[in-house]
Amino acid sequence: DSGVTQTPKHLITATGQRVTLRCSPRSGDLSVYWYQQSLDQGLQFLIQYYNGEERAKGNILERFSAQQFPDLHSELNLSSLELGDSALYFCASSEGDRASAEKLFFGSGTQLSVL
Amino acid sequence: QQQVKQSPQSLIVQKGGISIINCAYENTAFDYFPWYQQFPGKGPALLIAIRPDVSEKKEGRFTISFNKSAKQFSLHIMDSQPGDSATYFCAATRVTGGGNKLTFGTGTQLKVEL
Repeated sequence: DSGVTQTPKHLITATGQRVTLRCSPRSGDLSVYWYQQSLDQGLQFLIQYYNGEERAKGNILERFSAQQFPDLHSELNLSSLELGDSALYFCASSEGDRASAEKLFFGSGTQLSVL
Repeated sequence: QQQVKQSPQSLIVQKGGISIINCAYENTAFDYFPWYQQFPGKGPALLIAIRPDVSEKKEGRFTISFNKSAKQFSLHIMDSQPGDSATYFCAATRVTGGGNKLTFGTGTQLKVEL
């Protein structure tokens, strides 16, 4: 168990809808990262928050947004969903703000299916 | 743009054999290269990592070999066991300058048969 909690584990929704994925980092970790894993694209970095502030941005669509709350949990909001958004979404956390120098701890992911 | 290319996509090895997974990168600014292991239904977990100031790093049965001039690095799993069956991802990032983004390879599904 990595200590990173993601909910829900599975999410099935329809095109055009909006969903929220939730992540609780390991105790003491200040950074939260969101990754999207699909069969054709592999693991793609979406966004990072550090202590409530956006720290780095990757290939995140404008329809997607995220935030980190004062208690350090994070939410990833996906709107106007399309079939191609179906993927496994991972949250990871680390103690500091540098993924490259820190060990990332990944949650078990949220499997999103857009029908 | 795929900055880290990983091969093979899948690999079947007999128990006790050596599993070899290769990665190549394009960005010469990368200076930290971790490998992650992912079991079904779980998130990736850090396995071993290397910096380019060394050519090899070994931890138990897992070894990373690094060739800076060729911009390639590989994971060797010695005495492969059925419990090693998982998906392995190489990754790369830049430490200098405050890098925050890990660029992952596309993954290799390893199956170790009895």
